[in-house]
Amino acid sequence: GQQVMQIPQYQHVQEGEDFTTYCNSSTTLSNIQWYKQRPGGHPVFLIQLVKSGEVKKQKRLTFQFGEAKKNSSLHITATQTTDVGTYFCAVRGNQGGKLIFGQGTELSVKP
Amino acid sequence: GAVVSQHPSWVICKSGTSVKIECRSLDFQATTMFWYRQFPKQSLMLMATSNEGSKATYEQGVEKDKFLINHASLTLSTLTVTSAHPEDSSFYICSARDIEVASITEAFFGQGTRLTVV
Repeated sequence: GQQVMQIPQYQHVQEGEDFTTYCNSSTTLSNIQWYKQRPGGHPVFLIQLVKSGEVKKQKRLTFQFGEAKKNSSLHITATQTTDVGTYFCAVRGNQGGKLIFGQGTELSVKP
Repeated sequence: GAVVSQHPSWVICKSGTSVKIECRSLDFQATTMFWYRQFPKQSLMLMATSNEGSKATYEQGVEKDKFLINHASLTLSTLTVTSAHPEDSSFYICSARDIEVASITEAFFGQGTRLTVV
């Protein structure tokens, strides 16, 4: 089945610095989703990308889908303490819509 | 967005006992619900797909006799961890899809259940 590799596993930044997490697949992806999970919480949907080369922005967050649809990234500009959490990429399978998650990147922000 | 309620939010049980976790879709109907398990500092691992009115589909390596899934209605799925052992201690999360909106993209998650087996 489809798998996605996500790096880095952890990222510690100073407030105001930028942050990027990457997801890579050995196969072409039909879609990729991004979720944020706060400590002790459940995953919350951020966005879905489906088109080759697609770029979407949500305030300080920029999401990209690679031209070959094998990689994706999430970039946060000028991090804030409210950005703390674990960011997961996920791929929705064709059968029944199950989600396969990447390993996640845990972001900590030092004020 | 759609609301998925999971109960209990945490539970402590003795080794050898069984624990039932409920997942309810509050404002929509869900023919399919998904059960995930998450160990500390790790990703969400899909355990099984729960289908209303039929048997659940389990992922490879997940013991179906240990993790019993029942999806008796369009708004309720239950996961029962039978004969729980300390290694079953984990964060269990359910997710549901709205059947009225087949094209909906996002997954709606319950709050999760933190199970501790002592």
